Amino acid sequence: AQSVTQPDIHITVSEGASLELRCNYSYGATPYLFWYVQSPGQGLQLLLKYFSGDTLVQGIKGFEAEFKRSQSSFNLRKPSVHWSDAAEYFCAVAYNNAGNMLTFGGGTRLMVKP
Amino acid sequence: DAGVIQSPRHEVTEMGQEVTLRCKPISGHDYLFWYRQTMMRGLELLIYFNNNVPIDDSGMPEDRFSAKMPNASFSTLKIQPSEPRDSAVYFCASRVISNTGELFFGEGSRLTVL
Repeated sequence: AQSVTQPDIHITVSEGASLELRCNYSYGATPYLFWYVQSPGQGLQLLLKYFSGDTLVQGIKGFEAEFKRSQSSFNLRKPSVHWSDAAEYFCAVAYNNAGNMLTFGGGTRLMVKP
Repeated sequence: DAGVIQSPRHEVTEMGQEVTLRCKPISGHDYLFWYRQTMMRGLELLIYFNNNVPIDDSGMPEDRFSAKMPNASFSTLKIQPSEPRDSAVYFCASRVISNTGELFFGEGSRLTVL
């Protein structure tokens, strides 16, 4: 069965520092990959997605993610974090042969120190 | 176009009462999903519909939970009778059939059962 692992439950970074949130998926087929962000009291908002092609994808709010097939990873990065980036981040995967149903990771809560 | 609309945003009720949560998906979307989010269990898929037909309700916790989609623009999730352990944030999400899995989420309904 497909699964998504986000190894870090909590991460704290200083404002202005760089950020990398980890995501690993398990399955053999080529996945569709997503990162969602959830601000406090809000629903999930799509940050970026990978379907095919260039393995480095750009998203909203200055985020990017890189698909590495050899590592089964899709890590989210941002070069300089802003206080407003404090939120929970969810990685998700879908497969064409599974009806494109999303499987979510457990989430990583990001805290930003001033 | 308006996003996914959920109501109520907040509901506080007493144990044993009936609770009805409502969702209006994005116009033209063929799939509708109901998720539950808690600190302990994260995001759980409860049920999803395709073209108003329930496809998989294996995530519905027990018979106290029911969901309907009488038409393409409206769905309800009902809990009767409610219990304190049902306290959670309930999200509705929708997508189009041709989409590669991307979900659009509502802002959620926060339910507190006393």
